[in-house]
Amino acid sequence: DVKVTQSSRYLVKRTGEKVFLECVQDMDHENMFWYRQDPGLGLRLIYFSYDVKMKEKGDIPEGYSVSREKKERFSLILESASTNQTSMYLCASRPPAQGYTQYFGPGTRLTVT
Amino acid sequence: EDQVTQSPEALRLQEGESSSLNCSYTVSGLRGLFWYRQDPGKGPEFLFTLYSAGEEKEKERLKATLTKKESFLHITAPKPEDSATYLCAVQAAQGGSEKLVFGKGTKLTVNP
Repeated sequence: DVKVTQSSRYLVKRTGEKVFLECVQDMDHENMFWYRQDPGLGLRLIYFSYDVKMKEKGDIPEGYSVSREKKERFSLILESASTNQTSMYLCASRPPAQGYTQYFGPGTRLTVT
Repeated sequence: EDQVTQSPEALRLQEGESSSLNCSYTVSGLRGLFWYRQDPGKGPEFLFTLYSAGEEKEKERLKATLTKKESFLHITAPKPEDSATYLCAVQAAQGGSEKLVFGKGTKLTVNP
């Protein structure tokens, strides 16, 4: 079974705080992704990584950065959280040899007050 | 621009009442079309991947089909536990980002 885990299910932070969201997969996947999901807007890609220390911007990278120091871990960083970053954050991973299917973690519901 | 439109936005069925969900797409070369199921407050759960027109995949009461312009998710004799939001996504063959473009989903409610 493909397993993608995220560090927190729920998180409440204050405006201006630095926030770290972590995603871990245990299947030696190369490609990992961060999306956010908002009502009426659907899922949108923030960043993705296709290898250790490699990253590329998605559709909405502003206000976010990422880190991938080890293959199994992909972190999303909010340098200075703002209220408009209140959202559901979803990490996904693509295992090799299974086509292009992405598997999602359980999500982190982040509230910035 | 790659786009995915799902219809209807919401669908209410009685248990046992079969129906179909639609996913229309425009994409610059289709690498794959993906169906996911999402329960409230949880991450999307993978259901199917379709790669070429004419392809069909089945799993329990669900069957996904693909044409050059749309995909259908057929639900046969649904049960209340099939209630969820069903998401469709496409991946374009061009470009290296592997980005999935998602539709906004169809919220399915199956009443007992």
